Amino acid sequence: NAGVTQTPKFRILKIGQSMTLQCTQDMNHNYMYWYRQDPGMGLKLIYYSVGAGITDKGEVPNGYNVSRSTTEDFPLRLELAAPSQTSVYFCASSYPGTSGLDEQFFGPGTRLTVL
Amino acid sequence: AQSVSQHNHHVILSEAASLELGCNYSYGGTVNLFWYVQYPGQHLQLLLKYFSGDPLVKGIKGFEAEFIKSKFSFNLRKPSVQWSDTAEYFCAAYHGSSNTGKLIFGQGTTLQVKP
Repeated sequence: NAGVTQTPKFRILKIGQSMTLQCTQDMNHNYMYWYRQDPGMGLKLIYYSVGAGITDKGEVPNGYNVSRSTTEDFPLRLELAAPSQTSVYFCASSYPGTSGLDEQFFGPGTRLTVL
Repeated sequence: AQSVSQHNHHVILSEAASLELGCNYSYGGTVNLFWYVQYPGQHLQLLLKYFSGDPLVKGIKGFEAEFIKSKFSFNLRKPSVQWSDTAEYFCAAYHGSSNTGKLIFGQGTTLQVKP
């Protein structure tokens, strides 16, 4: 299994540009997540999905959109890039086991810079 | 609001020193607890987790954590650190009443081990 894969690894955007961060998992996990990581701030949840066709906002959703048309894919869309969106973005997935939630598996991240 | 606090933001140790990183969570009900590690330039990996049972949990690479319900704490320990333990460490909690699988992360602790 490849686990959770993300593309691209690095990207530089100009203010106002748009882009889609791709995330794919091959573990047949129902739950998928997008986080952003800023220095000293830990991980903040942007959006999450509990299954295909179901998405919901996390802690910091403004400026982002998501879709979940398949179990495997959970792309994150930035419509009008702003410098405040400069960050490292991590995608994760998990499977809700009998204890409610097991560990989340993380992708390698996308480092995005908006200039 | 539910929260996870890590009190040590930056820790510097010499090799062979003992390590304890603090983690407190705010929720009083059923809680699943995790410690993740992020080595430089890499994605988050699970160190250990606690769902129930023995409050002393052993993880990979010689790490352990103790769940103390009365103190709402889940501190991470290692008797003797190595240079290769240099990384950022995140405590995270999943509150059992949630059916969304949303993890709450602490701010992270950067550990620097001097050879």
